[in-house]
Amino acid sequence: DQQVKQNSPSLSVQEGRISILNCDYTNSMFDYFLWYKKYPAEGPTFLISISSIKDKNEDGRFTVFLNKSAKHLSLHIVPSQPGDSAVYFCAASGGTASKLTFGTGTRLQVTL
Amino acid sequence: NAGVTQTPKFQVLKTGQSMTLQCAQDMNHNSMYWYRQDPGMGLRLIYYSASEGTTDKGEVPNGYNVSRLNKREFSLRLESAAPSQTSVYFCASREPRPRGEQFFGPGTRLTVL
Repeated sequence: DQQVKQNSPSLSVQEGRISILNCDYTNSMFDYFLWYKKYPAEGPTFLISISSIKDKNEDGRFTVFLNKSAKHLSLHIVPSQPGDSAVYFCAASGGTASKLTFGTGTRLQVTL
Repeated sequence: NAGVTQTPKFQVLKTGQSMTLQCAQDMNHNSMYWYRQDPGMGLRLIYYSASEGTTDKGEVPNGYNVSRLNKREFSLRLESAAPSQTSVYFCASREPRPRGEQFFGPGTRLTVL
């Protein structure tokens, strides 16, 4: 039972354009969501997060949107840069749980 | 400040052999985690330790044991390795605040023949 789903395994975007990565969740107890970025042969690194009391959080080129009614969140990267090419994982946690549930990841390739 | 360190970086085992993956963090975090990453499966939680002296099963604990040796160290043991345990293993620790970020180590690539 995949509680956090990233239905697009891969995405290719031209440099300078917007990248939109999507994530859906099924557990209504989730109230905190995070995005991690992973380069090959490295551990994931934290990118941006959002609490369920908000519907948008912005950090530089990265914006996360949360639609609670649809149980959907998205990560927007504007403008996309070649260095953004990586695998992006969506993750969620709920209540007092200290553990995160991760999606399967989306591989983003930013082309010149 | 090294963050989260893992040893070894690479390991090849034969079926039935045992080994221990080591993890240490120097950020004074209470919570530590072990994940495995497989193609198309994302990061799956094996075991975690919410605080020193406690451990709990995650999503895929079978075939593994853990030890929270002290606040800094959290080890993962494979008692009798199987080919299905071929994977990349990541250790992580989490900031103490309720919505703290998880910091990951560089990973251990394990192959079981």
